[in-house]
Amino acid sequence: NAGVMQNPRHLVRRRGQEARLRCSPMKGHSHVYWYRQLPEEGLKFMVYLQKENIIDESGMPKERFSAEFPKEGPSILRIQQVVRGDSAAYFCASSLDYEQYFGPGTRLTVT
Amino acid sequence: RKEVEQDPGPFNVPEGATVAFNCTYSNSASQSFFWYRQDCRKEPKLLMSVYSSGNEDGRFTAQLNRASQYISLLIRDSKLSDSATYLCVVRDAGNNRKLIWGLGTSLAVNP
Repeated sequence: NAGVMQNPRHLVRRRGQEARLRCSPMKGHSHVYWYRQLPEEGLKFMVYLQKENIIDESGMPKERFSAEFPKEGPSILRIQQVVRGDSAAYFCASSLDYEQYFGPGTRLTVT
Repeated sequence: RKEVEQDPGPFNVPEGATVAFNCTYSNSASQSFFWYRQDCRKEPKLLMSVYSSGNEDGRFTAQLNRASQYISLLIRDSKLSDSATYLCVVRDAGNNRKLIWGLGTSLAVNP
């Protein structure tokens, strides 16, 4: 049973470009969560989605960030017009019930 | 007061030592608790869920004290491979799917 998959593992973007991060949950899991971890800081919840629905986006910045989990395909976290402060590790997790399992993360570097 | 608080450490212990971490949480209505470990620049991995009666998995024992609102993790016979950051996680009482993360306790096991 494949685990949570994320790609790309590393992403470099120049300021002002768009970043798209993808997450495929574990087989059978319908709940997806996105977290951000800044260097030397803890995990910060961003958004929780089920198929075709955003359930909780209380941790998402109000501008430039969006997330989706379509009926088919992976969940996407999209960051428009990236700035240097967006450089971080972005982790996706999935769950069947309450225990969350994490993907390897995408390390975004904004130059 | 932070929702989930941990001593950041670092804890430096020799191989074979027993080490214990505590974590306090602020919401007395919280029902579910977890310990995750995170290796440097890697994703968090679920170590164990914490049940009311306490639970043990090999060298690891987790305890819950509801009256004092803290959970603990005990590691016996420490191995070099136990070196990591240990994250205390509490399920949000008002939002079942949301996890609240501590900043972690750093453990270094030395030969």
